[in-house]
Amino acid sequence: KNEVEQSPQNLTAQEGEFITINCSYSVGISALHWLQQHPGGGIVSLFMLSSGKKKHGRLIATINIQEKHSSLHITASHPRDSAVYICAVRPPGGGNQFYFGTGTSLTVIP
Amino acid sequence: NAGVMQNPRHLVRRRGQEARLRCSPMKGHSHVYWYRQLPEEGLKFMVYLQKENIIDESGMPKERFSAEFPKEGPSILRIQQVVRGDSAAYFCASSRTKGQSYTEAFFGQGTRLTVV
Repeated sequence: KNEVEQSPQNLTAQEGEFITINCSYSVGISALHWLQQHPGGGIVSLFMLSSGKKKHGRLIATINIQEKHSSLHITASHPRDSAVYICAVRPPGGGNQFYFGTGTSLTVIP
Repeated sequence: NAGVMQNPRHLVRRRGQEARLRCSPMKGHSHVYWYRQLPEEGLKFMVYLQKENIIDESGMPKERFSAEFPKEGPSILRIQQVVRGDSAAYFCASSRTKGQSYTEAFFGQGTRLTVV
């Protein structure tokens, strides 16, 4: 069993739809990152969370430490949001020796 | 302030050759992490280095793989006698400090290694 599980694996949405991607983890953490990876491209850190909720533009990330669960929401989705979204958790006391989820591949159709 | 720079972006090697992947961290960052993304698999941590020190190599394969981060110059991930199974995207990330909960991670564009 992976330390980090994401769902769904694949997601197709119509432009404008509200999207939710979920991440559950089974280890203790000091922080959780949501990452974005475009095909053939690099990785960008969208959010770093240790509690509560963060918002950046149309993106919202939440984390529930007690339930070991985080969600990434995209409001008013757009084709340029099409990418793989990866949840990564940082173990306590360590550096960025992340445990990664396998990613959610999002396609937004115009 | 340039981001994390990796080169080359694409690298093709024949079986048995050596692959050298370079990572220049962001300015002011002294902590470097290497990760591997195998085809159809998720990212996996490989090694964590500070200048002239390997801090954690728990994710490194036991043979053929090595990493260094010298006092001057980029961090290098070296793969000796490459095999087809080494074909993957290799990413590095850097941070200013060890990685306390408030510290961001900045990733490079990755090096895509193909072994033929």
